[in-house]
This record gives sequence, C-alpha cells and structure tokens, in this order.
Amino acid sequence: DAGVIQSPRHEVTEMGQEVTLRCKPISGHNSLFWYRQTMMRGLELLIYFNNNVPIDDSGMPEDRFSAKMPNASFSTLKIQPSEPRDSAVYFCASSFKRVGAGELFFGEGSRLTVL
Amino acid sequence: GESVGLHLPTLSVQEGDNSIINCAYSNSASDYFIWYKQESGKGPQFIIDIRSNMDKRQGQRVTVLLNKTVKHLSLQIAATQPGDSAVYFCAENRNEKLTFGTGTRLTIIP
Repeated sequence: DAGVIQSPRHEVTEMGQEVTLRCKPISGHNSLFWYRQTMMRGLELLIYFNNNVPIDDSGMPEDRFSAKMPNASFSTLKIQPSEPRDSAVYFCASSFKRVGAGELFFGEGSRLTVL
Repeated sequence: GESVGLHLPTLSVQEGDNSIINCAYSNSASDYFIWYKQESGKGPQFIIDIRSNMDKRQGQRVTVLLNKTVKHLSLQIAATQPGDSAVYFCAENRNEKLTFGTGTRLTIIP
C-alpha cells in the first residue's frame, strides 16, 4: 500500500514567494496532521484535521500560513509570503484514529529552503 | 513551561550491545506515549507505543518502559544493529496533540 505522499520533496524559493505543499494521506485514514521540523525547535505540530475539518490550528505560526483539506484524500499547506525563517522540513502524517488512540504515519517530508 | 523529551542528544553503542534511550516528560495527565525512529532524509517511523495504564510493553527487539512516578519513559533495543542508527523521538499525547521530544541520535559502533 502507498504511504502518505508529499510533494514536492524539495523546494527552493525566494523570500516573498508563495509556497504550496501537498499531501495525500493513506486511504481510509480520517485524521491528517502537518508538522514542521527544524534543528532548533524539533517537530512542531502546525495543524490537524479530523474528517476534513480543522480541529486545532494553534500551532500555525502566523497568518502567512494556511492549510486546507478539501476532501479526504488531499491537503495543502500554503505559506504566503514566505520568509527565510520558514525554511524547514514539513511533514504530513495521517491516522485512522484521533490522536491518542493510534500511531501516526508520516510522509517523507517536503524540504523547504527560502532564500 | 512544560516540556517533553529532556534526554541526551547523542548515544553511541557497540554493535550487538543493548541500547537504552531515555525520555522525561512533565505532564502527569499524558495518557499515551509513542517512540518513533527517524532515519536521515525520511519521515518518523512508528516503533512502539504504550498507554499510561501499562508500565511495560515489548515488541520485536524493542521494549518500552513507563515509570509514571518519576515521569520517565525509556526505549530498550536489544542486540543493536547498524540499521538501528537513527534519531529516536519520544512523543506524548497531551490534549489530543502528539508532542515530540527533541530526539536522541543513536550511533552504532562496528
């Protein structure tokens, strides 16, 4: 079975540009999570969805970040405008249960570099 | 503020020996814990989990121990192999959010 699929794997962009990261969760999973990983802050939860509905977006850094889940098989994380401090690896993860009841399956991540 | 994963950043172990990776948590309300393994360039991969009503759980070559009295979690890897080289994260469930520690890098010495 295909795991969580993320694209692009690598993105290099210039400050001020819009960045869109994409995620396809595992079929049948009803919870989806976006995490950001940096050396300084480790893995941080940005937002998570349950049944396509955003449940908690308190980890989203600021208004420049937005996430959508239009259907059960697709989610996007958008940064507009991007800044150098947004450089990180962004992970999408999915689960067939809500947090606390089962494991999260992670994608391979999208490495973002903002110059 | 509260924190999770106050553990050593690196651990070097001789191939074939047992590894013990430690993790401390501070929220006594946390009821579910997971250990993840992350290899270079990849996403975290589930290893084993444990609920707060247990103190030990075993998997294949791995054992997780939970000491709620001192809020301590450990991952034991038996007969460490080169493929075990990775960063290991503990994570706790707090208010339906899985919060990760900073990670421990495990290096295997041949």
